[in-house]
Parts: sequence; C-alpha cells; structure tokens
Amino acid sequence: AQTVTQSQPEMSVQEAETVTLSCTYDTSESDYYLFWYKQPPSRQMILVIRQEAYKQQNATENRFSVNFQKAAKSFSLKISDSQLGDAAMYFCAYKGPRNTGGFKTIFGAGTRLFVKA
Amino acid sequence: DARVTQTPRHKVTEMGQEVTMRCQPILGHNTVFWYRQTMMQGLELLAYFRNRAPLDDSGMPKDRFSAEMPDATLATLKIQPSEPRDSAVYFCASGIRQGNGYTFGSGTRLTVV
Repeated sequence: AQTVTQSQPEMSVQEAETVTLSCTYDTSESDYYLFWYKQPPSRQMILVIRQEAYKQQNATENRFSVNFQKAAKSFSLKISDSQLGDAAMYFCAYKGPRNTGGFKTIFGAGTRLFVKA
Repeated sequence: DARVTQTPRHKVTEMGQEVTMRCQPILGHNTVFWYRQTMMQGLELLAYFRNRAPLDDSGMPKDRFSAEMPDATLATLKIQPSEPRDSAVYFCASGIRQGNGYTFGSGTRLTVV
C-alpha cells in the first residue's frame, strides 16, 4: 500500500527567509501525482502545488517550489521569502494512477510551519 | 472563485443522535470525497463517488455511517447513532481530472457529547 511520511511535525522560519519541508512516499507505481496542501487556522485546505511523476522538471508556483527526486521517492516543498501568511499546517499528498484506485489521495501527517516576525 | 460548500460549519449533538452533513461540490466536478480529520489519525478517507456512483467506502464504519449522492449537486454523510469518538472535522472535496488536486470545503466540526 502507498504511504506518505512527513518526518517534521513542526518547523519554524524567520520572515523573509527560506524553509524546506520534507516528504517521502512509498509506491510501486511509476505514474502518479504528488501535491502539497496548506491548511491555515481557518482550516480551509488549499492546494499549493502539484507534480506529475512523469515530468522531470520541478514544479514552481511563485514563492513555492518542489524538489522531486523520483528514485529516492522524495518530494520536498521549498518556501522562499516566507511571509506571516504562510504559517499553517502543510500536508504532502500522493495520488496513484487511475487503474489502481487512483481517484483517492493519501495524505501525510502534516508539518506545522511557524513564521517568526 | 468556485467553491465547495459544506453545511453545517459546526454541529454539537448528544450521543445517540443522528447527524447529517451536506456538501455541494463545484458544478461540473464529477468526483466527490469525504475525509475525516482528527489530531490522532490525521486525514482519513471515508468514501468517494465518481459520477455519483460510490467507488469506495472502505474507510467508513458501515454500521453507523452512510454516504450518498442523491444528485450531482448534493452529497451527504450521515452518522446514526453518533458516538463521542466521531468528534472530528469532516471535509468534503471535489475534483474533475486525475492529475488535478481537489477543492476542499471548509469542513464541518462535529462534537458529540
């Protein structure tokens, strides 16, 4: 079965600096999708960034970028120029291919990010 | 922006009572999910539907939980009878394409006393 592991329960970063959140996953599939979601105190889950496993190029969305290492099954999130509004719980998530029940997404336990002013 | 609407936002009920949570997915999204979030278990998938048909509800306690999608604009999650261990935030999410992420609702915080 697929699993997603976030080994950092909490992280903190100084405003305007860069922080990297770690995520590893386990799968025997070669075609899948990876996501980072953000959950601020409002509890709304917000999609931050996504990566398709068949693409070698790392995804970027403004200040957010990923380091996708397929062989190592690693998918870290880098937040540059951190802002107070980035403080939230961040979830790494995996979605498998369609023919193996790929409609459902598996979430990691989350990393709580604190941003210090 | 299109959004997934969940009602109620908060619900406090007594043990043994029936609870119904509702979700209006984004128009055009054909896949709907129910997740439960607790501190201990994190985000657990309870059930999901594609084109209104239930595809997987293996994450749901069948004796007390039921999920339905009577039409394309409404998904429901019912607990009968409710128990204190059901206290959690229940999220509905919808999506359309395999590679896209989901859009989540704001969740229903359920407290069973």
